[in-house]
Amino acid sequence: AQSVAQPEDQVNVAEGNPLTVKCTYSVSGNPYLFWYVQYPNRGLQFLLKYITGDNLVKGSYGFEAEFNKSQTSFHLKKPSALVSDSALYFCAVRPPSYNTDKLIFGTGTRLQVFP
Amino acid sequence: GAVVSQHPSRVICKSGTSVKIECRSLDFQATTMFWYRQFPKQSLMLMATSNEGSKATYEQGVEKDKFLINHASLTLSTLTVTSAHPEDSSFYICSANRDRDRYGYTFGSGTRLTVV
Repeated sequence: AQSVAQPEDQVNVAEGNPLTVKCTYSVSGNPYLFWYVQYPNRGLQFLLKYITGDNLVKGSYGFEAEFNKSQTSFHLKKPSALVSDSALYFCAVRPPSYNTDKLIFGTGTRLQVFP
Repeated sequence: GAVVSQHPSRVICKSGTSVKIECRSLDFQATTMFWYRQFPKQSLMLMATSNEGSKATYEQGVEKDKFLINHASLTLSTLTVTSAHPEDSSFYICSANRDRDRYGYTFGSGTRLTVV
């Protein structure tokens, strides 16, 4: 079955420190990969995507993610965390086998950045 | 950009009544929109794919008579929760794809439904 895993329910990091939010996927072929952020009672905001090309993808608000095909991972990173980065982060994948644009989401990781 | 507007943001209704949620693509046409449901502290569950001019495609386990979807134009999809019950209380989010390669998928701001 095709799936996305975010192994950490919550990640805590001090402001100014680097952060990593992990994501691994299990799909056949070369998927499209996405990261979204959600603030309380709001919809999802697009952060970045990997379709093809350079494995290191840079996105909004200083976030980046690295596509690692051998490890089937797409971890989200930021060199220096801000308190305002505290939110819920979702990794999502569109398997290439899908003939629609629907996404498979991970369970989400809550990022807490402490001052 | 690609903007999706969802309305209302919050709604409280009585058990047995119906509630309509609108999802509009403001600056692009969307032949396909998606409706998700999110339970507290959980991920998004795809409910259905809304197709302009044709019937929606529902995911397994989603009651099509309960959650009516209409996609009457290229910029508007509606989700109607019929005969709502407290267990239908949830956060509903729509999304649309303008240009996946450029924008990714764009999501509405969500609707918090509370059935009392």
